[in-house]
Amino acid sequence: AQSVTQPDIHITVSEGASLELRCNYSYGATPYLFWYVQSPGQGLQLLLKYFSGDTLVQGIKGFEAEFKRSQSSFNLRKPSVHWSDAAEYFCAAVPTGTASKLTFGTGTRLQVTL
Amino acid sequence: DGGITQSPKYLFRKEGQNVTLSCEQNLNHDAMYWYRQDPGQGLRLIYYSQIVNDFQKGDIAEGYSVSREKKESFPLTVTSAQKNPTAFYLCASKAGFGVEQFFGPGTRLTVL
Repeated sequence: AQSVTQPDIHITVSEGASLELRCNYSYGATPYLFWYVQSPGQGLQLLLKYFSGDTLVQGIKGFEAEFKRSQSSFNLRKPSVHWSDAAEYFCAAVPTGTASKLTFGTGTRLQVTL
Repeated sequence: DGGITQSPKYLFRKEGQNVTLSCEQNLNHDAMYWYRQDPGQGLRLIYYSQIVNDFQKGDIAEGYSVSREKKESFPLTVTSAQKNPTAFYLCASKAGFGVEQFFGPGTRLTVL
């Protein structure tokens, strides 16, 4: 079955430290991949997406993600975390070239300590 | 401003009552979606519609109903048959040939 896995439920980092959030997918072929961010009580905002091409994708708010086919991963990174980055982050995927629905991971809650 | 609106932000209902959540978009998107979010479970798809007057069940449709009479509107009714309706509900939309979905701000439903 197609699935998206976010192994870390909760991560705490200090402000200014680097961040990496993990995402693994299980699909027959490489899907389209997304990272969304959700502040408490709010909707989801798209951070970045990968369709094809360059495996390092730049997004908004200083985030980037690297697609690694060999590891079936699409990890989100940020070199220096700000307190305002505290939120829940969701990885999602949809099969390439279809109108299929998005499959979401269960999310990673990021806490930033000052 | 183009976007998706959901109203109300907070909704309280007594057990056994039906309740309808509103979702409106002015993005001219063809597809619209309803998700339910519970702590630790990510987002689960309730219903989706790819075109006016047509919709399909998602993964957890039992106890819910929808309609799509207008392109810009996709209301969700939570019926008394839904066993555990207290949750955060998110509406999303997508352009016809697009892939990424855009989300509304959500409605938190509490059934007392």
